[in-house]
Amino acid sequence: KAGVTQTPRYLIKTRGQQVTLSCSPISGHRSVSWYQQTPGQGLQFLFEYFSETQRNKGNFPGRFSGRQFSNSRSEMNVSTLELGDSALYLCASSFTGDQPQHFGDGTRLSIL
Amino acid sequence: EDKVVQSPLSLVVHEGDTVTLNCSYEVTNFRSLLWYKQEKKAPTFLFMLTSSGIEKKSGRLSSILDKKELFSILNITATQTGDSAIYLCAAVDRGSTLGRLYFGRGTQLTVWP
Repeated sequence: KAGVTQTPRYLIKTRGQQVTLSCSPISGHRSVSWYQQTPGQGLQFLFEYFSETQRNKGNFPGRFSGRQFSNSRSEMNVSTLELGDSALYLCASSFTGDQPQHFGDGTRLSIL
Repeated sequence: EDKVVQSPLSLVVHEGDTVTLNCSYEVTNFRSLLWYKQEKKAPTFLFMLTSSGIEKKSGRLSSILDKKELFSILNITATQTGDSAIYLCAAVDRGSTLGRLYFGRGTQLTVWP
């Protein structure tokens, strides 16, 4: 079955703009988590959604937000982009908390 | 503060060598430990460990968890150039529905022919 799909694969934005990233989980998975990966900080948890509700949030400013739709697809939004937001944004899905999370290929966001 | 520490950060070996990657964790509501392999794109799932002392094996890769000493190791025997990648371990916090992952910085493994 198809894996986790993230779009777009690459994005180039300038400071101050906003961006929306999309994630379609593996069919049947209802939980989606988002992570930011940078060379300096590694992989850091952004937030987790289950049944359209945010269940957990990492230590990121309010410029980072997300949502989940009834079909389990998720989006994350970053407003007022800063240079430090340049990163690989990864989405992961799982059937339950007792199952491993599977990752998409990510969206590479570059801020100029 | 919850944290996961991996060692070494970088490792260079020749094909055929055996390597051991280490992961220690301090997560308050620990549920399980996951190992992933990351090449250029998505981390791909290797192992999920929930019980101490039970070795998980997949081909040349194996892993074990020690919940008393709070660490895990990943062994790769007879390494091949295709094993070159970043190996990530992540501790799962049971305090959320899905299980929040706390990642280590990873071990960059390079296998020379």
